[in-house]
Amino acid sequence: GQNIDQPTEMTATEGAIVQINCTYQTSGFNGLFWYQQHAGEAPTFLSYNVLDGLEEKGRFSSFLSRSKGYSYLLLKELQMKDSASYLCASMDSNYQLIWGAGTKLIIKP
Amino acid sequence: GAVVSQHPSWVICKSGTSVKIECRSLDFQATTMFWYRQFPKQSLMLMATSNEGSKATYEQGVEKDKFLINHASLTLSTLTVTSAHPEDSSFYICSAKQGADTGELFFGEGSRLTVL
Repeated sequence: GQNIDQPTEMTATEGAIVQINCTYQTSGFNGLFWYQQHAGEAPTFLSYNVLDGLEEKGRFSSFLSRSKGYSYLLLKELQMKDSASYLCASMDSNYQLIWGAGTKLIIKP
Repeated sequence: GAVVSQHPSWVICKSGTSVKIECRSLDFQATTMFWYRQFPKQSLMLMATSNEGSKATYEQGVEKDKFLINHASLTLSTLTVTSAHPEDSSFYICSAKQGADTGELFFGEGSRLTVL
């Protein structure tokens, strides 16, 4: 079956670094996505990885290991506005997204 | 990035009435659009995949006669919640793919439906 696992909730301190992990099992693989979603709003795109390695984009970086079915989102210099849910999604062989349940990130001052 | 606009953002209706939600891709042609619903504190749940000019593909457990989807053009898909009931109250979100095989989805702002 197809499955995406990510932690339900994480807490971090403003200014610190946090890593949100995601493991996936999908029928075929066409990339791994990370989305940010603030409460009551639609998700916004953060990153897309299809090759192994680390993709850095400002304060946010995303890593992928296809052999391990594993990805993480790394957030540096955390700000209060980073408090949100972070959704991991894997694209399967039919180019459909399989969504994780999301990780609620709580930032404390 | 590409823009997807969803309308209305908020809608309150009486039980038994029907509500239509529009999803438009403003600066690109979307061959495929997706409709999701999201209950409070829960993840997105895919309801259906809508391809331009053909019938929508509904996920298991989603009533196609209750949630009517029309994708009449490459820039517009509509979701009609027929005979709405309070349990249909939810956040409905659409997304669109710019190309057939490209990965990124562009999301609409979402529509919050409250059925009294």
